[in-house]
Amino acid sequence: GAGVSQSPRYKVAKRGQDVALRCDPISGHVSLFWYQQALGQGPEFLTYFQNEAQLDKSGLPSDRFFAERPEGSVSTLKIQRTQQEDSAVYLCASSLLRGIDQPQHFGDGTRLSIL
Amino acid sequence: AQSVSQHNHHVILSEAASLELGCNYSYGGTVNLFWYVQYPGQHLQLLLKYFSGDPLVKGIKGFEAEFIKSKFSFNLRKPSVQWSDTAEYFCAVNPYGNNRLAFGKGNQVVVIP
Repeated sequence: GAGVSQSPRYKVAKRGQDVALRCDPISGHVSLFWYQQALGQGPEFLTYFQNEAQLDKSGLPSDRFFAERPEGSVSTLKIQRTQQEDSAVYLCASSLLRGIDQPQHFGDGTRLSIL
Repeated sequence: AQSVSQHNHHVILSEAASLELGCNYSYGGTVNLFWYVQYPGQHLQLLLKYFSGDPLVKGIKGFEAEFIKSKFSFNLRKPSVQWSDTAEYFCAVNPYGNNRLAFGKGNQVVVIP
């Protein structure tokens, strides 16, 4: 498709399990962002990639969160030993070039529920 | 702490009414400013943005926003709303020099036909 694709749309996991969330950015987009959106809140920045390089991971809340983009296209956000506070919508966005003046195109998000 | 503030989280108004949503930020220095909209069942999309120049910015669907530097504000307006404007609206700030966006909590706007 033409937009940013995220999978799965919904994920339910038990506390302590590991989860992996996938993002397919728009083809050719250089920049890729992950955001976490808790219920009733705005999205919060997690991490930023330029091609395969993770240039900013300062928003990752703990060392249980890990993101990669090994070939500069698809990205995976992994959460280890999930906890209830990890329940949120995880949004991926991509932009054509580097630089904030490039509009960020958002996916529909993955809604993660930790039981 | 640096933040983006949006007040009146829930707004309900009738068609043809005027809409104004406030956005204040606490970042110093140069910032880039954005409004994003999320229609029911859809993803976030850019409504308008301000980087420099004329502080009155016009966006899609008749929306406009005014940057007032002295007030650290970037309020969104639409003179006459339609039912299709029912959505959640997010203000976002990009402090100059990095790529991250800092979002406010959002305004849930419901337009009654």
